Amino acid sequence: TQLLEQSPQFLSIQEGENLTVYCNSSSVFSSLQWYRQEPGEGPVLLVTVVTGGEVKKLKRLTFQFGDARKDSSLHITAAQTGDTGLYLCAGAGVTGGGNKLTFGTGTQLKVEL
Amino acid sequence: KAGVTQTPRYLIKTRGQQVTLSCSPISGHRSVSWYQQTPGQGLQFLFEYFSETQRNKGNFPGRFSGRQFSNSRSEMNVSTLELGDSALYLCASSLGHLNTEAFFGQGTRLTVV
Repeated sequence: TQLLEQSPQFLSIQEGENLTVYCNSSSVFSSLQWYRQEPGEGPVLLVTVVTGGEVKKLKRLTFQFGDARKDSSLHITAAQTGDTGLYLCAGAGVTGGGNKLTFGTGTQLKVEL
Repeated sequence: KAGVTQTPRYLIKTRGQQVTLSCSPISGHRSVSWYQQTPGQGLQFLFEYFSETQRNKGNFPGRFSGRQFSNSRSEMNVSTLELGDSALYLCASSLGHLNTEAFFGQGTRLTVV
């Protein structure tokens, strides 16, 4: 069974601070996606990383895929209250998985003024 | 371009009843996946449909079933409902069977009493 562990589970910070969320697995994934989910809504896709070592930037968010394609990180610079939400990483399996995504345990982020 | 539409948004059912949830994917997307989200287990994959065929299935009992129509719309059915089936059911739309970028609907909140 492929499992994705995220850390930290909860994070409460002040606006303007930086933070990093980690997503780790013992399994190799063909690609990894990051989503943000707000209460009562479905997850919204932020980014997809495919190549080991890949780094992608989305405004203040920086995503990195580990060299071995087993782990990933999300770094937010100068967090804003609008960044509050549940951050989920999701891995797509290497073989036979089709479009099945294995989701991480989630990181609940709260950014306060 | 319309997003993924799930109906109904909220549903209350009694133990032992059955329920059918509906999902209309993004226009042009042919793959539909279903996920169950609960506070304890997080997001778990139920199944994926592509070209009216189930392509992948998660570890859920046979009470959970689904189908896909020729217009790519999908339904999932849960029979003999149990209290533990209370969850947010999410539908994800992807372009094709091996395109893992998933776009989620708002979900159907099912409460079993």
